[in-house]
Order: sequence, then C-alpha cells, then structure tokens
Amino acid sequence: EPEVTQTPSHQVTQMGQEVILRCVPISNHLYFYWYRQILGQKVEFLVSFYNNEISEKSEIFDDQFSVERPDGSNFTLKIRSTKLEDSAMYFCASSDGQGLGTEAFFGQGTRLTVV
Amino acid sequence: AQTVTQSQPEMSVQEAETVTLSCTYDTSESNYYLFWYKQPPSRQMILVIRQEAYKQQNATENRFSVNFQKAAKSFSLKISDSQLGDTAMYFCAFMKQGTGNQFYFGTGTSLTVIP
Repeated sequence: EPEVTQTPSHQVTQMGQEVILRCVPISNHLYFYWYRQILGQKVEFLVSFYNNEISEKSEIFDDQFSVERPDGSNFTLKIRSTKLEDSAMYFCASSDGQGLGTEAFFGQGTRLTVV
Repeated sequence: AQTVTQSQPEMSVQEAETVTLSCTYDTSESNYYLFWYKQPPSRQMILVIRQEAYKQQNATENRFSVNFQKAAKSFSLKISDSQLGDTAMYFCAFMKQGTGNQFYFGTGTSLTVIP
C-alpha cells in the first residue's frame, strides 16, 4: 500500500542552524502539507502546497520556513536559523484532492530537536 | 476560530471490551467534516473514520463507530471488541470548507489495550 515517507526520523541540530526535513508523498497525490506537534500540544497546521506554490499557510509559517518540491517526488520543509521552540514532531501529509472531507495520508513524522 | 478538545489524555481498556473516546469541538461553520485518526507507536497517522456534519446517521467502520451530536458539538469514537492492535494515539480532527484541507486537531488520547 502506498504511503508517505519522511526522513530522517529524528534530527538533532544546534540552535541557529538550518535544517531540511524531507518527505516523499504518495506518487499520484497533488496536494501536500506540513504539520507540527510540539510535545504535549496539538498537532498544528503549517502549510499546504499545490501546483508548485503555497496555497495556505498558518501564522506559524513565517519567513523562517520555506517549502519546496525540488523534483517530481520530494517535498521539503526548510527551517532557517532554528530556535529552541522549533523542537517538535513534524508531519508531512498528502492528498489526491482538496474537496471537503478528503482524506490526508500522513508520514510517520520527523522529530526535530534543537539544542 | 475552530477548536477541538480531547479531554482524556490517556485511556486503557481490556482486550475484547468496548471503549469510548470523547471529542468536542467549537465552530460557527455549518458544513464541515470530523475525523478520527489513529497513530500506532512509531507509525503513520491513519484515518479511522470520518463524518460529514450534514449527515445525521453516525458513521461506522467495522468495529469503529461514532456518536455525532451536532447540537452538542460532540464527536466520540467507540471501539468495540478492542484488539491489541488498537493500542495507539487517537486524534480527533475538524475540517471546514474553503481552507485547503486544513485539519484542526485535538491533543490526542493515548489508548492502551490490555491483554
């Protein structure tokens, strides 16, 4: 069964460094998302991406963040100059449509630890 | 603003018994979807069940069913004949129209099925 895969599963980085979280969405999906979950808090929406551009973003998704689909398979989240509060589990998701009620398929997450 | 509340951080149930996970939400929208996602340890979140707000009949998927009380803004998940494989984090989520498939999640309920 096709699934969304994320790498790495765990990344430790020093404060101020740049990190790139990678995701391979399901191959025929056209809509891509990033969510994050700070420990003990809710899973929060960061950004949605379609047709090579951002379609929605939350107030969390500031200039520190960027997304890219560098080739036909990968979908990346870049965090520039990481801060301690960026430590969280980051989930990538994809879907084949954008109608209300469409199921999103999630990756297993990347745990980012900023030290 | 949309909020989703899961008031039970942890629950346990004996194998073969029935358990109900609670979820309440707040919205002024009239058309929306509600979802339950399940995340087994170190695995992806997978869709368990979803319910359209306009449908009065409660959704059912095999051993999983919901009790959708629209007026009370309640969306509980009932798991019948609990199995060891049901051990997971369960997230309640809300989606409204026009937000590009953005989910609003609760904080999750960690369910342990005891043999």
